[in-house]
Amino acid sequence: EPEVTQTPSHQVTQMGQEVILRCVPISNHLYFYWYRQILGQKVEFLVSFYNNEISEKSEIFDDQFSVERPDGSNFTLKIRSTKLEDSAMYFCASRGQGYYGYTFGSGTRLTVV
Amino acid sequence: DAKTTQPPSMDCAEGRAANLPCNHSTISGNEYVYWYRQIHSQGPQYIIHGLKNNETNEMASLIITEDRKSSTLILPHATLRDTAVYYCIVKDSGGSNYKLTFGKGTLLTVNP
Repeated sequence: EPEVTQTPSHQVTQMGQEVILRCVPISNHLYFYWYRQILGQKVEFLVSFYNNEISEKSEIFDDQFSVERPDGSNFTLKIRSTKLEDSAMYFCASRGQGYYGYTFGSGTRLTVV
Repeated sequence: DAKTTQPPSMDCAEGRAANLPCNHSTISGNEYVYWYRQIHSQGPQYIIHGLKNNETNEMASLIITEDRKSSTLILPHATLRDTAVYYCIVKDSGGSNYKLTFGKGTLLTVNP
């Protein structure tokens, strides 16, 4: 069964450093997403991406965040200057045409120290 | 998107059916009911969705009441691996954005 692949599975970074989280969506999917989940809290929407541009973003997705699909297969989330409160699981997801289910990756656990 | 209400937790014995309820009394005519689950910090996993008819797939069955104000997800023979948080989400089918809004869900614990 096709999978969404996320790397790394766990990243530790110092406050103020830049991090890039990587995702390989399912190859024929058209819509791409990032969600995050702070420990013990709900899964929160960050951003959706379609046709090489952001289609929607949440209040969380401020100027410190950016997304990119650099080569037609990878989908990245960059946090420019990490804060302690950015510590969370970050999930990438993709979906194809229509309204069927998303496929989520297994996540990257980001720890900011 | 219509709001959903789910019990915070439920228990089920292994091998028995698990019936997870969801209330969505403000659902509108073009909104679907989706179920996802999240097994301990893994990414959410799509289970099933429906509009008004009952649906069944290899994972579960979805029963939607005739007035569509509530639904039940049924895992016919629960196993220990079905222990997870189950999310009921109501969403229309339109738009390229189509983001999912997760609530707190129901923590289903399957006991041996």
